[in-house]
Amino acid sequence: NAGVTQTPKFQVLKTGQSMTLQCAQDMNHEYMSWYRQDPGMGLRLIHYSVGAGITDQGEVPNGYNVSRSTTEDFPLRLLSAAPSQTSVYFCASSPKGVYNEQFFGPGTRLTVL
Amino acid sequence: GQNIDQPTEMTATEGAIVQINCTYQTSGFNGLFWYQQHAGEAPTFLSYNVLDGLEEKGRFSSFLSRSKGYSYLLLKELQMKDSASYLCAVRSGGGSNDYKLSFGAGTTVTVRA
Repeated sequence: NAGVTQTPKFQVLKTGQSMTLQCAQDMNHEYMSWYRQDPGMGLRLIHYSVGAGITDQGEVPNGYNVSRSTTEDFPLRLLSAAPSQTSVYFCASSPKGVYNEQFFGPGTRLTVL
Repeated sequence: GQNIDQPTEMTATEGAIVQINCTYQTSGFNGLFWYQQHAGEAPTFLSYNVLDGLEEKGRFSSFLSRSKGYSYLLLKELQMKDSASYLCAVRSGGGSNDYKLSFGAGTTVTVRA
């Protein structure tokens, strides 16, 4: 199993550009989520999904969209990039069951100029 | 909202013991996780507590007191490879919130020779 994969690893955008961060998992996990990690602030939840076709907002959803058309994929779209979105983005997945830990992808380091 | 506090930094000597404390105030509680994150890498799962008491896993142990909103991670026989950030995360629980985690800002542990 590849686990949780994310592309790209690094990305530089100009203010106002849009892009999609890709996330895929091959473990048949129902739950998937996106976090951003900023210095001194820990991981903050952006959006999450409890299954294909179901998404919901997390703590910091503004400026981001998600969709979950399949169990495997959970892309994160930046609609109009802003410097405040410069961060490291992690995708995570978890099997069903509240006692199961989340598995994290390797992260995407995004810089918005 | 959720409030999860842990110290920013700790330093210890190789072979010693270090205890990382985590206090939390959340709207509900359905488990506490500890993750390890090496610089530039993704978080990886270390431990999970949902009932009061101590969980031991090799050199790492985690303790929980739900009445005090308190947990600690104990790292014994420290090795240089234990230099990393340690993240405390709480699952608030209840319906679709069952899978959502709230993270502390992390504690950076530096192990010196």
